[in-house]
This record gives sequence, structure tokens and C-alpha cells, in this order.
Amino acid sequence: EAGVTQFPSHSVIEKGQTVTLRCDPISGHDNLYWYRRVMGKEIKFLLHFVKESKQDESGMPNNRFLAERTGGTYSTLKVQPAELEDSGVYFCASSQDSGNGYTFGSGTRLTVV
Amino acid sequence: AQSVTQLGSHVSVSEGALVLLRCNYSSSVPPYLFWYVQYPNQGLQLLLKYTSAATLVKGINGFEAEFKKSETSFHLTKPSAHMSDAAEYFCAVRAFSGTYKYIFGTGTRLKVLA
Repeated sequence: EAGVTQFPSHSVIEKGQTVTLRCDPISGHDNLYWYRRVMGKEIKFLLHFVKESKQDESGMPNNRFLAERTGGTYSTLKVQPAELEDSGVYFCASSQDSGNGYTFGSGTRLTVV
Repeated sequence: AQSVTQLGSHVSVSEGALVLLRCNYSSSVPPYLFWYVQYPNQGLQLLLKYTSAATLVKGINGFEAEFKKSETSFHLTKPSAHMSDAAEYFCAVRAFSGTYKYIFGTGTRLKVLA
């Protein structure tokens, strides 16, 4: 089966610009998650979708971040406007059940300059 | 609240030597614990998981981990390191607050010396 696909793999943008990250989960996985790793720190939870509904977005840093999941399929994470501290690697993951191990994508490395 | 601590951000071993990556956890409930590996330019891959069954868990690529409740540890081991094991390793504990999510450690980068 195809894995979790994220693109772009890298993005370099200027402070104040907008960036949209995309994640295609494994087909049939209702659960989709976004995590972020800021340089040298731990990987942190951002939010969790079940199908198209946000189950938990307690990890979203602030209202500059907007996540959507269209029709319960792919998801996008938009950062608008981007700030320097948003730089990091953004991981997407999906699973059939909610707590027994995810499949992660390769991540999107975002650099805000 | 759950948390994990990985001791040693960088570990170097010689090829053929024992690999030991340390993880200690804190959890108010019986934990589910995971080890993930990230090879260069790849995503996080599940190595193994502990879900309250056998305390010695075997994973892929010859890795295993032992759950020790008395020591609140879940250390990752491999008897003989291979060059291909060079990667970053993450320990994680499952937490629940509204939904299941993973709390990750800060990661340990393993270097294998020829």
C-alpha cells in the first residue's frame, strides 16, 4: 500500500508569507495527525482529525495555523503569516485506530527566513 | 501527565558493538510505549511497541526493548550494530487528553563507527 505522502518536502519562505503543507494519508485511514519538530527539540503534537472532523487541536501554536481535511481524505496545514519560530519539520501521520501506532510521512522541512 | 526522557542526544558505537539507547517514562496509567527511527531523508518508522503484553518486545532490524516498570524504563537494544543502523531514534509514550496522542522524547542520534 502507498504510505503517507507529504509535500513539499522542503519549503523556504520569507517571514510574513503564507505556506500550505499537504498530507495524503494511507487510503482508508480515518485518523490523521500533524506533529512538528522544532530544531533540536522533541516532536510535538499539533492536531488530530477523525475523518473530516477536528478531534483535538490543542497543540496548534496559535491562530496563524489552520488545518483542514477535505472530505476526510487529504489534509492541509496553512501557516499565515509565517514567523521565524515556525521553522521546523512538520510530520503527518495516519492510522486506522487511534492509539496503537501511526504511519508517518517523510515530513516537510519548513524554513522561514 | 505522561512524559519520556531520552538520555544522550548523541550515541556512538563501533560496528558490531552493542547498541543501548535509553528511555525513561513517566505515566500515571499503564503506559503504551513506542520506539521510532528516522533514517536520513525519510519519515519516522515504527521499530517496536509495548502495549502491556510481554515485557520484552522484539522489533524490526534486530532491535528489542524491555519494559521495566520498577525502573520506569524502556531501553532499546541491539546486540550488534550495523552501519545501516545510523539514524535518529525516538521514544514515545501514548497519552490521552481528549484524544490519543504521542509524547516524544528529544531523540538520540546513533552514529556507527567502522
